[in-house]
Order: sequence, then structure tokens, then C-alpha cells
Amino acid sequence: GAGVSQSPSNKVTEKGKDVELRCDPISGHTALYWYRQSLGQGLEFLIYFQGNSAPDKSGLPSDRFSAERTGGSVSTLTIQRTQQEDSAVYLCASSLGPQGANTIYFGEGSWLTVV
Amino acid sequence: AQSVSQHNHHVILSEAASLELGCNYSYGGTVNLFWYVQYPGQHLQLLLKYFSGDPLVKGIKGFEAEFIKSKFSFNLRKPSVQWSDTAEYFCAVNAGGYQKVTFGTGTKLQVIP
Repeated sequence: GAGVSQSPSNKVTEKGKDVELRCDPISGHTALYWYRQSLGQGLEFLIYFQGNSAPDKSGLPSDRFSAERTGGSVSTLTIQRTQQEDSAVYLCASSLGPQGANTIYFGEGSWLTVV
Repeated sequence: AQSVSQHNHHVILSEAASLELGCNYSYGGTVNLFWYVQYPGQHLQLLLKYFSGDPLVKGIKGFEAEFIKSKFSFNLRKPSVQWSDTAEYFCAVNAGGYQKVTFGTGTKLQVIP
């Protein structure tokens, strides 16, 4: 597609439920990122995929968070047993990578509200 | 580990005022540096980037940033802001190669007409 596509755009879920957020990066981009944006918290790095390398999971806040990237393209971020503090905008981004100066292109984000 | 600090969290300026937003990073080696902007209701987009060459980088909409290696800084500047520059600005650093891009906490700029 022309840009990074994320779904759903909005999700309201009950505390304790699992959610899955999907990201479809720009075709040909080998690098894929997940960030979380909370009010007043800036952009929090979650996980980084680069080609076939092992992902950098250093930003995942707890073991309730996991992500996978199938076939080097689409990625799914899963949050298990959601908590209210998980409410945020989850941003996916991709770049040509691995050269770090490549521009990162962001999706519109998935707004998650845990009630 | 690489990190980025943006010292100004919220800046309010009148139109035509000059702007400088601070950004400092911590990493001793070669870095790539970015400024991203998020206009209200829009997604993040690149404003400008530095990876080599002239340390003074010019971006879109009249913005520029200067990489000062000795100060580990990459401050964003604009000589005369407009109301349409109201947005949140994020500085980011990448230590090169296969490293992730790390963002600062952002600076909200409000320009008053």
C-alpha cells in the first residue's frame, strides 16, 4: 500500500481481555517498529523487527505484551489481560532499514481504551 | 544505550517569534539524528534528518537543525514561526546500523496568532 496501515483504528476493551493490533508496513520496508504514545509520555519504544534478525524486544513493558512479524511483512502486537494503564495510542512504523538514516514512516495508530 | 532528552515540554510563542527547541542525546559513537513533527490530528512525519556531511540541516517549512557533536546536541530552529507550526515536535536518534530509533518525550509548540 501507499503507507503504513494499522487496524483497528479504535478499540475499546474490558479490563482482562486480550487484544490484537495489526500493522501492514510499506511494501519493501524491512524494518518495522511498534511504539506507544500516552498522554504526556512521549513516544515509548516497544519492539523493533529488522529483516530476519531476532527482534529487539527491550521496550516491551511486561510479559503481557508480545509481537510477531509473519513473512517479514505484517506484524501483530498482542496485549494479554489488558489493564487500564495499557490505554494509549499504539503506533506502527516502517523504514527501508537497516541503514538508520532511512526515514521512518508512521501509521495513523490504533487507539486502545481499556475500561 | 542511546537516549534523547528534550528539555522544553511546552513552548508558547507569538507569530513571527524565533524558535529554538533543544535536543540532546547520549551516545558516544556515530549517530543519525531526526526531528519529527505531529500536527494536531495527524500522524508523525519527518521534518528533517542528519546522517553525515554538513552539520546544518535544512528541512521542510523553513525549519533547520544544527548538529553539534561536541555538545551532543541537535537543536531545531526556525527564524519566524507561524500559527500553522502549532504541533508536537520529537527529536530522535539512531546509533546506526541495525539499531532502533529512540525518540525524546516531545515538545508541544503553541503559536499564538
